[in-house]
Amino acid sequence: AQRVTQPEKLLSVFKGAPVELKCNYSYSGSPELFWYVQYSRQRLQLLLRHISRESIKGFTADLNKGETSFHLKKPFAQEEDSAMYYCALSRSGGYNKLIFGAGTRLAVHP
Amino acid sequence: GAGVSQTPSNKVTEKGKYVELRCDPISGHTALYWYRQSLGQGPEFLIYFQGTGAADDSGLPNDRFFAVRPEGSVSTLKIQRTERGDSAVYLCASSLTPGVGGELFFGEGSRLTVL
Repeated sequence: AQRVTQPEKLLSVFKGAPVELKCNYSYSGSPELFWYVQYSRQRLQLLLRHISRESIKGFTADLNKGETSFHLKKPFAQEEDSAMYYCALSRSGGYNKLIFGAGTRLAVHP
Repeated sequence: GAGVSQTPSNKVTEKGKYVELRCDPISGHTALYWYRQSLGQGPEFLIYFQGTGAADDSGLPNDRFFAVRPEGSVSTLKIQRTERGDSAVYLCASSLTPGVGGELFFGEGSRLTVL
């Protein structure tokens, strides 16, 4: 079955602490992986995708096919990073028929 | 417009009623998607339009749900004989290109509550 699992509903850290939001997936083919973010009172938006291998707002994510994981990391959390984060996957070469995880709420405290 | 626009932002209806939710995508975006997000869950795919045609409607839960995009721009999601389990936020998204490399731009959603 195709599935995205985000094991933590809530991750609470202090400003300046490292952050790792976990994402594991189950997919029979070759997936493309994404992180989407929803800030308070804003719409859902793309944060980054594995194929771009980019760092956005200090966040990075590495696709580990052996562990079927795509964890999101940031070395030093900022208060403005507080948001809901969703991991998602789609079939490589397909269209945006995304399978989302349930999301992790990141709370960064001063 | 500046982004994907969805109306109404909130809709409260009674069980058994008919509901229409509208999505106005970003101008020029040929690909349009509907997702549904239930409380505490991530968005769930419903249907994908490429132009006027529904290229993939495999996510529609049953035949009470139907969506159209007659002129390849605005789309309407229609729900007949609503049930309490239909209560959710219905999200519309569009992208300039149909492929998965095309960034999805989401609307703010239509929150449907069925009493």
